Amino acid sequence: NAGVTQTPKFQVLKTGQSMTLQCAQDMNHNSMYWYRQDPGMGLRLIYYSASEGTTDKGEVPNGYNVSRLNKREFSLRLESAAPSQTSVYFCASNRDSYNSPLHFGNGTRLTVT
Amino acid sequence: KQEVTQIPAALSVPEGENLVLNCSFTDSAIYNLQWFRQDPGKGLTSLLLIQSSQREQTSGRLNASLDKSSGRSTLYIAASQPGDSATYLCAVRVETSGSRLTFGEGTQLTVNP
Repeated sequence: NAGVTQTPKFQVLKTGQSMTLQCAQDMNHNSMYWYRQDPGMGLRLIYYSASEGTTDKGEVPNGYNVSRLNKREFSLRLESAAPSQTSVYFCASNRDSYNSPLHFGNGTRLTVT
Repeated sequence: KQEVTQIPAALSVPEGENLVLNCSFTDSAIYNLQWFRQDPGKGLTSLLLIQSSQREQTSGRLNASLDKSSGRSTLYIAASQPGDSATYLCAVRVETSGSRLTFGEGTQLTVNP
């Protein structure tokens, strides 16, 4: 039981390049989330998917897009990376949106130069 | 807007000490509160989830309490061990925020042997 798996673990991009962060969970969870963690700003929600087939914006969605590919997978895409997107990105999931503990992946450390 | 504060930002204690970590929030209309642990370079691990109707939750040496009216939660760690060294974060779900959690910035705990 791997839990929440994120790939890649590390990535360096040049300004303007694009990339997709992948996330998969094997816990049969309905809800999935993308967060970014920055020093002094804490964890902030980028996008979430309360159930398969739905996605919604979080606190800081600008510059990102998401796809809930199926119940297991939720990807985050940066279309044109900017230095302000340098951060650690975490994918998380839980059984339902409101009432169950959140399970996190180990993160993707992204640097945009 | 919900704000979550954790004081102190860092704490260093000798092994065996009982300790209390604090979390305060500005909007008392919360749905639930979670405590997490984050080890360096890793994702967050959920420790305890307290529903708004509950006063406390216990897991092993950990006990979390919730006082909605005063906007406070505490995480009590009994008989601390070096393996407890990590950053501890609290997060609240406000009734009107849907799936959004608001995180504190955490308390970095070091337990010295």
